[in-house]
Amino acid sequence: DVKVTQSSRYLVKRTGEKVFLECVQDMDHENMFWYRQDPGLGLRLIYFSYDVKMKEKGDIPEGYSVSREKKERFSLILESASTNQTSMYLCASSQRTSGGSGKLNEQFFGPGTRLTVL
Amino acid sequence: AQSVSQHNHHVILSEAASLELGCNYSYGGTVNLFWYVQYPGQHLQLLLKYFSGDPLVKGIKGFEAEFIKSKFSFNLRKPSVQWSDTAEYFCAVNVNYGGSQGNLIFGKGTKLSVKP
Repeated sequence: DVKVTQSSRYLVKRTGEKVFLECVQDMDHENMFWYRQDPGLGLRLIYFSYDVKMKEKGDIPEGYSVSREKKERFSLILESASTNQTSMYLCASSQRTSGGSGKLNEQFFGPGTRLTVL
Repeated sequence: AQSVSQHNHHVILSEAASLELGCNYSYGGTVNLFWYVQYPGQHLQLLLKYFSGDPLVKGIKGFEAEFIKSKFSFNLRKPSVQWSDTAEYFCAVNVNYGGSQGNLIFGKGTKLSVKP
């Protein structure tokens, strides 16, 4: 059974703190993603990674950074948490798209981390 | 920029009613289309996907979706909903840039509440 796990289901932090959200997948997937989910806004892509030590900005990268030192682990870092970063954070992974096939592989999602910044 | 529109924010139905959730995207090229579902307290999971071929796609739990290229639409349907279908539904589109990985663009979601 495929699995994406996230280090915490609920997290409460104070403004200005450095926050680490960890994601681990056991499917040997090349691609990993971080989204935030807000009511009425759907899912918005923060950062993604197609390989170890590789990262690309998504639609809303400001205030975030990421780290991918190992294939199975993708970390999201809030350098200095702010109240507008209170949100649900979702991690996902997928296999690399087959070259030329045009088929994007399914993304598998973790359970999410609900972060509250006070 | 590419976008995905889900027309309904919240849909309320009685059990056994038929369901259709709208999804439109804004891109004229080749697309991959997905519907994901998030049941209360659970993680997002794939309902169905379309890459090519038959535009009528069948997914899990009796859901289906029809890709209509001329309308840039990928509406989700179910003939008879159950209380257990209460969830939030997300349409997502991947724009196929040839050999690139592409990314998913999600709609804002539609909450479905089914009354027993």
